[in-house]
Amino acid sequence: GAVVSQHPSRVICKSGTSVKIECRSLDFQATTMFWYRQFPKQSLMLMATSNEGSKATYEQGVEKDKFLINHASLTLSTLTVTSAHPEDSSFYICSALLPGSSDTQYFGPGTRLTVL
Amino acid sequence: SQQGEEDPQALSIQEGENATMNCSYKTSINNLQWYRQNSGRGLVHLILIRSNEREKHSGRLRVTLDTSKKSSSLLITASRAADTASYFCATDLTGGGNKLTFGTGTQLKVEL
Repeated sequence: GAVVSQHPSRVICKSGTSVKIECRSLDFQATTMFWYRQFPKQSLMLMATSNEGSKATYEQGVEKDKFLINHASLTLSTLTVTSAHPEDSSFYICSALLPGSSDTQYFGPGTRLTVL
Repeated sequence: SQQGEEDPQALSIQEGENATMNCSYKTSINNLQWYRQNSGRGLVHLILIRSNEREKHSGRLRVTLDTSKKSSSLLITASRAADTASYFCATDLTGGGNKLTFGTGTQLKVEL
């Protein structure tokens, strides 16, 4: 089956630092990936759509300068949380759209970010 | 506003019983998908049902879709302790470019 990985799985950083999270499709090429965040005991909220070779599309209320997305290749998208603050602490999950799969998204295992 | 509302928010049943979760949505969809999430983990895709489909089965899972009522249900038959997880519906809106809008989720606990 289609596998999506994320790295790191867990990161703790100091306030004011930047953190990069990688999302990789391991056995397929994904022109489109998505980034979500999830607060404890809540649902997933879409942050942005990452398209290979073009700028990401951000959802309303998501600061593009705060959450930098780069989809440099057909198997890798990165999310960089810049100048992180404690309120950015969350569970970040990516997904990749499997081409020809009837619109199925495959999700990574998530990254737990804690900002001290 | 929340596209997908699920009920119940939490459900506790005994192993062997059936579990039914419901999802309602507000706007026109291409498809509706159900996912499972174990605590602190990523999401596992369970089933996708298209807007022109009414029912779909996969193993012990049965999903129905009623586009006139804008609602879907997920039935897990003969539940097992390993089914304990949160279950989310997600809608792929018409013209939404494959973006998914997730429901509020149902926390299912299956007790031995």
